[in-house]
Amino acid sequence: GQSLEQPSEVTAVEGAIVQINCTYQTSGFYGLSWYQQHDGGAPTFLSYNALDGLEETGRFSSFLSRSDSYGYLLLQELQMKDSASYFCAVRVNDSWGKLQFGAGTQVVVTP
Amino acid sequence: DAGVIQSPRHEVTEMGQEVTLRCKPISGHDYLFWYRQTMMRGLELLIYFNNNVPIDDSGMPEDRFSAKMPNASFSTLKIQPSEPRDSAVYFCASSLWASGGASPHGQFFGPGTRLTVL
Repeated sequence: GQSLEQPSEVTAVEGAIVQINCTYQTSGFYGLSWYQQHDGGAPTFLSYNALDGLEETGRFSSFLSRSDSYGYLLLQELQMKDSASYFCAVRVNDSWGKLQFGAGTQVVVTP
Repeated sequence: DAGVIQSPRHEVTEMGQEVTLRCKPISGHDYLFWYRQTMMRGLELLIYFNNNVPIDDSGMPEDRFSAKMPNASFSTLKIQPSEPRDSAVYFCASSLWASGGASPHGQFFGPGTRLTVL
């Protein structure tokens, strides 16, 4: 089977840095994705890591370590608008189009 | 370009009624996904299509749920008869063939349909 674990909530102040960890168990690995979802909104794709290392996109970065079955999303220079849920997701091994999502991490940014 | 379009945005119905949710994927995308999101179960994939063909419907909860994709620009998810436990937000998403479930391009989600079954 497959499983993903991420913290349920993280709170930080504006301007700070937040790291959201995701550990996964899967029989076959095809990459780790991250999505953002604001309250009442739809999930929005943020990043994808297939290989080890850090991918940077503006204030957000995503990291993957395949040997550790671990990844993280790094949010820098936090802004109030970054308050949202963040989901990690992996492709289900036996189904090309199927993603399994983690339970999500609620990030609360305070003034 | 327009994103994924879903209708209706909100639906309130009574138990036992038929509900039809509609989705128009992004033009040129050939994967289409139906998800359901609840507080208890999170974001669950119900079914997905590739080139209008259903590929994996293992997430469809039971026979009351059915989905069709008659052409590349339209899909429906039907619940008949509806029950209160079907209350959730239903998302449709689409992606390019090269991406499938996971890729540098990701899946593009519609705004969702919030379904309430009384």
